[in-house]
Amino acid sequence: EADIYQTPRYLVIGTGKKITLECSQTMGHDKMYWYQQDPGMELHLIHYSYGVNSTEKGDLSSESTVSRIRTEHFPLTLESARPSHTSQYLCASSEYPLGYEQYFGPGTRLTVT
Amino acid sequence: GQQVMQIPQYQHVQEGEDFTTYCNSSTTLSNIQWYKQRPGGHPVFLIQLVKSGEVKKQKRLTFQFGEAKKNSSLHITATQTTDVGTYFCARAGGTSYGKLTFGQGTILTVHP
Repeated sequence: EADIYQTPRYLVIGTGKKITLECSQTMGHDKMYWYQQDPGMELHLIHYSYGVNSTEKGDLSSESTVSRIRTEHFPLTLESARPSHTSQYLCASSEYPLGYEQYFGPGTRLTVT
Repeated sequence: GQQVMQIPQYQHVQEGEDFTTYCNSSTTLSNIQWYKQRPGGHPVFLIQLVKSGEVKKQKRLTFQFGEAKKNSSLHITATQTTDVGTYFCARAGGTSYGKLTFGQGTILTVHP
């Protein structure tokens, strides 16, 4: 079982609040990713990082931001939450180029009221 | 774009029936990965296919990569209720730092 953690698992928050979703992995992987997934739908890449101090936007435009100050930590921040941000956010990591296989965390289910 | 199209979107089967999901690309794939996501869970890696015409088996699951490396399939023999979930294929970008592009997924329900 992969060692990748996300907190909180569930979050209900009001519009306009600032939130940070935490993601940590203990595998020493260089590559980390954030996906957004609505129920029963496909995964959309919103951010990725290929190492400390390097981050890139993914294929789906997102108002969130990320940082990568430490290898093991890849938090995602929403400065002002809106109902349209309601979704599941999945964090993943991989050890490219040894393999593209991605290990996913349990996800954070965010509801913005 | 470098999308992968996955069909069907939904599949309902009786326990014991077989199930197949297909993944298609308009461009040649360097490799294809398959993931399973249980209801309420997170995607879990199943397998990666790299070679043209490759066939791999995991118990009742058979994975195939097309000769032209533009399509792939996952076949489950004699489904069980534990097989329920969404099955995703994903293509890797060759130089995109391990980025994956996921298909839309096939939601499998198994009726006992």
